[in-house]
Amino acid sequence: EVQLVESGGGLGQPGGSLRLSCAASGFTFNTYNMNWVRQAPGKGLEWVSHISATGSSINYADSVKGRFTISRDNAKNSLYLQMNSLRAEDTAVYYCARVAGDFWGQGTLVTVPS
Amino acid sequence: QSALTQPASVSGSPGQSITVSCTGTNSDVGGYYHVSWYQQHPGKAPKLMIYDVSYRPSGVSNRFSGSKSGNTASLTISGLQAEDEADYYCSSYTSSSTEFGGGTKLTVL
Repeated sequence: EVQLVESGGGLGQPGGSLRLSCAASGFTFNTYNMNWVRQAPGKGLEWVSHISATGSSINYADSVKGRFTISRDNAKNSLYLQMNSLRAEDTAVYYCARVAGDFWGQGTLVTVPS
Repeated sequence: QSALTQPASVSGSPGQSITVSCTGTNSDVGGYYHVSWYQQHPGKAPKLMIYDVSYRPSGVSNRFSGSKSGNTASLTISGLQAEDEADYYCSSYTSSSTEFGGGTKLTVL
């Protein structure tokens, strides 16, 4: 059974940092491109970042470029999102998902007070 | 502002059919066949309903169908049921990024 389980969310401070993790199981993780997608309270889905299967290709939404860093450890079947210089507008549920969109985690909530 | 444009809301009665549109550009919807549709119920993760414009994942009802014409993709739900009431998002992805529509709230009257 494919599973994606996010962790690491919580209360962040403006200007502070948080690191999200996504543990993958039930599929060959090192063959799939992965996304982080977020959803602010009451708002729509927003793509955050993409990483290729090998980690050689990485892209970010303009809203997080220069502040967030995506990475993966294929030996540990894990995806990460290092979030620095946090802002109130980063408050959202963060999902990890296969780029094809067929499997998503349950999400982890990040709250940054204004 | 989302890159892909969807109507904010649509509604229909049980048994009826509805269509949700998703308008982009030649650089996304019009240029690629990786157009997907997601259903999201409150408090839940998105669920893939249609991929590559018109394909249904295993387990998705054949009441859901997708199509594309030029820069506009469409999701049609036939035989509306109460459990179809949810938010629906379109997306278009390439080898390096993904775009989402702003979402459409479907109300089953």
